[in-house]
Amino acid sequence: DTAVSQTPKYLVTQMGNDKSIKCEQNLGHDTMYWYKQDSKKFLKIMFSYNNKELIINETVPNRFSPKSPDKAHLNLHINSLELGDSAVYFCASSFRGWGEQFFGPGTRLTVL
Amino acid sequence: SQQGEEDPQALSIQEGENATMNCSYKTSINNLQWYRQNSGRGLVHLILIRSNEREKHSGRLRVTLDTSKKSSSLLITASRAADTASYFCATDASNFGNEKLTFGTGTRLTIIP
Repeated sequence: DTAVSQTPKYLVTQMGNDKSIKCEQNLGHDTMYWYKQDSKKFLKIMFSYNNKELIINETVPNRFSPKSPDKAHLNLHINSLELGDSAVYFCASSFRGWGEQFFGPGTRLTVL
Repeated sequence: SQQGEEDPQALSIQEGENATMNCSYKTSINNLQWYRQNSGRGLVHLILIRSNEREKHSGRLRVTLDTSKKSSSLLITASRAADTASYFCATDASNFGNEKLTFGTGTRLTIIP
């Protein structure tokens, strides 16, 4: 069984469009995260949620809006996509917001 | 600036040899973790070492932590082709309980069969 899943795996879209990435975990964790990995493989946290409550909100443009309908899901909606948003986005989860984080397979976003 | 920086950026060794990667960081930490990323995949947690620990083992992995030098090393013994991947250190320096990991720049390890 997949522990942390993301859809879609690949996303190619035009500048200015709005897109969403979905994430689900079946590990029973209460904390979920979104990371962005750029072309140089540098991985940076964007958001974290604990039991549907926003805990970490890094200096991310407000075009990015996370939504957590329940503690097993954390979706990422991006408005007015820009070229610089092209990256791989990873969802992750952990238990009680500490320790080992379990990562999803990533969503490669390409903005043309 | 990045919290963690791995050294070397890339490492190629023969299968069976040991591989050592280093990580340096800038601030006091609660814990340090090592992750592996295979090409095109998500990260996989390898090992966590707390700030009050100096060494930890897990199978063929050995991690050391020197908080006075703000550095950690990951040793993979008897390397295998399947160990080919990028390895990242991640530090948690959060103050209020909720962990916030800051990842290093990664070491690209290639095991030559």
